[in-house]
Amino acid sequence: KNEVEQSPQNLTAQEGEFITINCSYSVGISALHWLQQHPGGGIVSLFMLSSGKKKHGRLIATINIQEKHSSLHITASHPRDSAVYICAVSPSGSRLTFGEGTQLTVNP
Amino acid sequence: DTAVSQTPKYLVTQMGNDKSIKCEQNLGHDTMYWYKQDSKKFLKIMFSYNNKELIINETVPNRFSPKSPDKAHLNLHINSLELGDSAVYFCASSPRAGGAFFGQGTRLTVV
Repeated sequence: KNEVEQSPQNLTAQEGEFITINCSYSVGISALHWLQQHPGGGIVSLFMLSSGKKKHGRLIATINIQEKHSSLHITASHPRDSAVYICAVSPSGSRLTFGEGTQLTVNP
Repeated sequence: DTAVSQTPKYLVTQMGNDKSIKCEQNLGHDTMYWYKQDSKKFLKIMFSYNNKELIINETVPNRFSPKSPDKAHLNLHINSLELGDSAVYFCASSPRAGGAFFGQGTRLTVV
């Protein structure tokens, strides 16, 4: 069993829909990361969280340390949000342990 | 200015060859990493260097040898390439406060 589990693995939405991607982890962590990987392959860090909630534009990330759970929300989704979203945790130091990713497709 | 840059972006080579991937970061970070992304898009750490010193070496075949000439560079040399080495290799760096800055990836195809 992977230390980081994401759901769903695949998600298809219509433009404008509210999207939630979930991440659960089984180890103690110093931080949790949400990453975005576009079809071109590059990986961009969206958020780094150790508690609470962060917002950047239409993206919101939350974390519940006690429940070892995080969610990434996208409001008013758009086709350009189509990408793989990856949850990763830092069990110690800054090395990352990754979830398997969620492929998001937003249709116009 | 590219923060973490890897070269080459694409690498196609025959089995048995030796190849290198170069990585440079201009962010002043002390820690650099190599990650491997397999065909199912799953990322896994291979190596981590902190200020030119190896601090993480996961169960990677010793055909893979990282080299850090200085803290801004972390190169990956692969000997005797095998078909199973085909993957996308990502270099990354992080500051002490945490976070991750990735290179654009190198797609290695072994034929």
